[in-house]
Amino acid sequence: DAGITQSPRHKVTETGTPVTLRCHQTENHRYMYWYRQDPGHGLRLIHYSYGVKDTDKGEVSDGYSVSRSKTEDFLLTLESATSSQTSVYFCASRAGGGRNEQFFGPGTRLTVL
Amino acid sequence: EDQVTQSPEALRLQEGESSSLNCSYTVSGLRGLFWYRQDPGKGPEFLFTLYSAGEEKEKERLKATLTKKESFLHITAPKPEDSATYLCAVQAQTDSWGKLQFGAGTQVVVTP
Repeated sequence: DAGITQSPRHKVTETGTPVTLRCHQTENHRYMYWYRQDPGHGLRLIHYSYGVKDTDKGEVSDGYSVSRSKTEDFLLTLESATSSQTSVYFCASRAGGGRNEQFFGPGTRLTVL
Repeated sequence: EDQVTQSPEALRLQEGESSSLNCSYTVSGLRGLFWYRQDPGKGPEFLFTLYSAGEEKEKERLKATLTKKESFLHITAPKPEDSATYLCAVQAQTDSWGKLQFGAGTQVVVTP
């Protein structure tokens, strides 16, 4: 299993404040992903990265930005949090080079009041 | 548009009562189909990857199979520790970035 950690694990914030979630992996995986999970929707891709400083949008990217300055770190920023962004956020990584399975972190539960 | 539908939404089994979960998909060519297990409050745990129709993978009491339109996850003689939500995801042939489309999952409860 990939060693993936997420921080914080829980966060409560107020509408309009910026929030940054951190994902850290120790497997030197090239690809990293941010998903959100909501009841009835399954996991939905927010943004992904295919290398340092290389990122692109996923299915539900509005209101989110990402950065990847090092292979091991992938940050997700909610520029101005809204109640619709209350969710559980998961980070995942993938080795690439024919290895297609993604390995997930433990998740961050975010509540926006 | 790629779609993944899992059924049933929930399944309650007696210990030892075998059953199957279904994942049907519509995608313009399949690069891979993935099964994950998710326990409450935790991240998804990778189980299997299937690449082509007719392929099968096994792990303990779980067996995944793939056809051109759907995949099944068979649970043989389940135990209470098999209780979890099982997620299915597909990657389209045209995607090389690992963008997955997930189903909503099947919640399985196995009672002693």
